[in-house]
Amino acid sequence: DSGVTQTPKHLITATGQRVTLRCSPRSGDLSVYWYQQSLDQGLQFLIQYYNGEERAKGNILERFSAQQFPDLHSELNLSSLELGDSALYFCASSVERGSPLHFGNGTRLTVT
Amino acid sequence: AQTVTQSQPEMSVQEAETVTLSCTYDTSESDYYLFWYKQPPSRQMILVIRQEAYKQQNATENRFSVNFQKAAKSFSLKISDSQLGDAAMYFCAYRSDIRDDKIIFGKGTRLHILP
Repeated sequence: DSGVTQTPKHLITATGQRVTLRCSPRSGDLSVYWYQQSLDQGLQFLIQYYNGEERAKGNILERFSAQQFPDLHSELNLSSLELGDSALYFCASSVERGSPLHFGNGTRLTVT
Repeated sequence: AQTVTQSQPEMSVQEAETVTLSCTYDTSESDYYLFWYKQPPSRQMILVIRQEAYKQQNATENRFSVNFQKAAKSFSLKISDSQLGDAAMYFCAYRSDIRDDKIIFGKGTRLHILP
């Protein structure tokens, strides 16, 4: 158990809809990272937060947004969903520079 | 910009044999960290091993060990006594010591274990 909690585990929704994915990092970890993994693909970095502040952006679409709250949990909001957004979305947390990322079990999003 | 390359999209190994997965990276930084992650069919991301670039000694974790060649920018993973449970996708990752956001993953190597 990595200590990173992601909810929900599965999400099925229709095109055009909006969903929110939630992540609770490991206790003490200030950094939260979001990744997207499409079927049989590598990990695509979306965005990173550190102690409530956005630190880095990757290939995140304008339809996607995220935030990190004072209690350090994070939410990834996906709107105007398209079929191509179907993927596994991972949240990971880290305590400090150089330490490994600890991943949650992911949220599997299916857009129909 | 840093890059991580895993040149073997797929590999197979007989159960109980040894296999080595390759990873090369490109960076101009002198201090950084390297990781191998395992993603089994359950699609969890599991940390396998970690290497600090300033350490010459190769990291080991039970049956997993690395061959870290800093000058060659090579970071291969050796799995000894392969077991069926080792079947997974393996990702090599680079983490900068300067920029916290610089965490780069390779595209992965899918490892099959033959019984």
